[in-house]
Amino acid sequence: DAGITQSPRHKVTETGTPVTLRCHQTENHRYMYWYRQDPGHGLRLIHYSYGVKDTDKGEVSDGYSVSRSKTEDFLLTLESATSSQTSVYFCAISGQQRGFSYNEQFFGPGTRLTVL
Amino acid sequence: SQQGEEDPQALSIQEGENATMNCSYKTSINNLQWYRQNSGRGLVHLILIRSNEREKHSGRLRVTLDTSKKSSSLLITASRAADTASYFCATLPQGGSEKLVFGKGTKLTVNP
Repeated sequence: DAGITQSPRHKVTETGTPVTLRCHQTENHRYMYWYRQDPGHGLRLIHYSYGVKDTDKGEVSDGYSVSRSKTEDFLLTLESATSSQTSVYFCAISGQQRGFSYNEQFFGPGTRLTVL
Repeated sequence: SQQGEEDPQALSIQEGENATMNCSYKTSINNLQWYRQNSGRGLVHLILIRSNEREKHSGRLRVTLDTSKKSSSLLITASRAADTASYFCATLPQGGSEKLVFGKGTKLTVNP
């Protein structure tokens, strides 16, 4: 399995509080992604990174910011959490490492976030 | 907006039967991928088929791609209870983007 972890795995917070989710990889993959998964919507891309300090927006980026100061860590921040951001958040990585197909993504175990 | 749309949304079969799931998409693609998600877990990559390929096999999985119809199918042969999961197609649009676009998934239940 690809070495990718997410923390925390579960979090309950209140509306208006800041929240930071962390994704950590040990695979040295170039690309990292943040998705959210909601019933009826499948997986939707929030932000992604194509290198250290290089990030771009996805389909549902409003209310979220990201940072990548080193290859192995990709942080997702909700500056002021809202109830609509209650979801399961997945981090994924990809890159042409160890013979894997380019673009094939490896997913972390997910973070279940509840905003009350 | 979703690029891939899976059909059916849910499928229930008996062990030993074959399961077929379909995916339709809207724009030209570089490749199409299928992923599996067990309940409460992250997605796991199953197979990737490039736009110039028509069919690909991996174990009990068979994927076809028809770019003229903008559709793909995933066939799981001789299904097992352990195949119970949600299956997602994901497309990589042409144009150099590294952003996969996922469908909403097909929930497969294999009854023992």
